[in-house]
Amino acid sequence: QKEVEQNSGPLSVPEGAIASLNCTYSDRGSQSFFWYRQYSGKSPELIMFIYSNGDKEDGRFTAQLNKASQYVSLLIRDSQPSDSATYLCAVRVSGNNRLAFGKGNQVVVIP
Amino acid sequence: NAGVMQNPRHLVRRRGQEARLRCSPMKGHSHVYWYRQLPEEGLKFMVYLQKENIIDESGMPKERFSAEFPKEGPSILRIQQVVRGDSAAYFCASSLSAGVDEAFFGQGTRLTVV
Repeated sequence: QKEVEQNSGPLSVPEGAIASLNCTYSDRGSQSFFWYRQYSGKSPELIMFIYSNGDKEDGRFTAQLNKASQYVSLLIRDSQPSDSATYLCAVRVSGNNRLAFGKGNQVVVIP
Repeated sequence: NAGVMQNPRHLVRRRGQEARLRCSPMKGHSHVYWYRQLPEEGLKFMVYLQKENIIDESGMPKERFSAEFPKEGPSILRIQQVVRGDSAAYFCASSLSAGVDEAFFGQGTRLTVV
């Protein structure tokens, strides 16, 4: 079983719509969860982190965490063409000082 | 206030050669992490170092790969006798304290083995 799974294929959304991304993880002891944005050929950039169950909002981004179900999601409201990128879900491995990443979901915002 | 600096940005090596990737952490940061990203894949943890110490190398291949973070100078990821499968983007991140939650990534080194 993979540590972090992002199973959805590329996501195309019209400009102004909501993009929704999901991620599941296997380590029940994990306490820290992250969403990174990665433009093609660039480094990952942290856009959200969440530690507690529930929602966390930051501008147009909302992260949702459900530890009982072991999933994390990211909502991007009012999607802009500049949001077109690959979004990586990451989890801090319990008892370790390292991150486990999912494969990423590509988001394409269509003007 | 420079960020995490990696060089070279692009590196081409022939099979069997050695590749040396350098990472200069952010000023004041003494914790360095190396990750590898294969094409169409997420980042895979390789090694976590603190000044002069390897803390966790559970993600490092047992052969041909080594890493160091000397008291002075950048962290070095060394790949000996490179093979085509080593072609990937190698990212370094650094943090001020022992908390990967607050790590910042460098721009990466893209290694191509021909």
